[in-house]
Amino acid sequence: QKEVEQDPGPLSVPEGAIVSLNCTYSNSAFQYFMWYRQYSRKGPELLMYTYSSGNKEDGRFTAQVDKSSKYISLFIRDSQPSDSATYLCAMPFSGGYNKLIFGAGTRLAVHP
Amino acid sequence: EPEVTQTPSHQVTQMGQEVILRCVPISNHLYFYWYRQILGQKVEFLVSFYNNEISEKSEIFDDQFSVERPDGSNFTLKIRSTKLEDSAMYFCASRDRGPKNEQYFGPGTRLTVT
Repeated sequence: QKEVEQDPGPLSVPEGAIVSLNCTYSNSAFQYFMWYRQYSRKGPELLMYTYSSGNKEDGRFTAQVDKSSKYISLFIRDSQPSDSATYLCAMPFSGGYNKLIFGAGTRLAVHP
Repeated sequence: EPEVTQTPSHQVTQMGQEVILRCVPISNHLYFYWYRQILGQKVEFLVSFYNNEISEKSEIFDDQFSVERPDGSNFTLKIRSTKLEDSAMYFCASRDRGPKNEQYFGPGTRLTVT
């Protein structure tokens, strides 16, 4: 079983739609959860960072963690064409120096 | 806003040649990382570096790879004898001390081995 699983998409939505991106993970020791946004041939850009279960909101973005189901989500409200990118979930592997374990990334296209 | 920088943005080299990829992490950060991403694949961890030594490395990080922090600002990844399969985007990342695990990534170096 892969440590972090993420549907690669692509996901295509109209401008203004609510987007839901998800990851599942297998290691119950993961405590921190991150979402990165990656534009084509660029570096991952940290978008959201959450600790343990619950929700965290930042503008149009909401990150949700359900540790009991080992399931995390990123919601984008009022999606814009500029949100078109690949979204990566990542979890630091605790017990070491916190190397990040990434999902495969979901490619999102928001069309006008 | 402080950011991680990397040079060069694109490096083309012949198989068997040595390459050095350079990174300048965020200035007050203490933990440094290299990751790579082969085209169409996941971002994968290579090595972490703390207190002037390697703290953890992956199976990919074999004897052909080395890292160095030659001065107070640069962090380098050297590949001694490049192989075709080393072609990938290489990302440097850094983070601050403490419980936060927010790692900030540079724009990457695209390495093409021919």
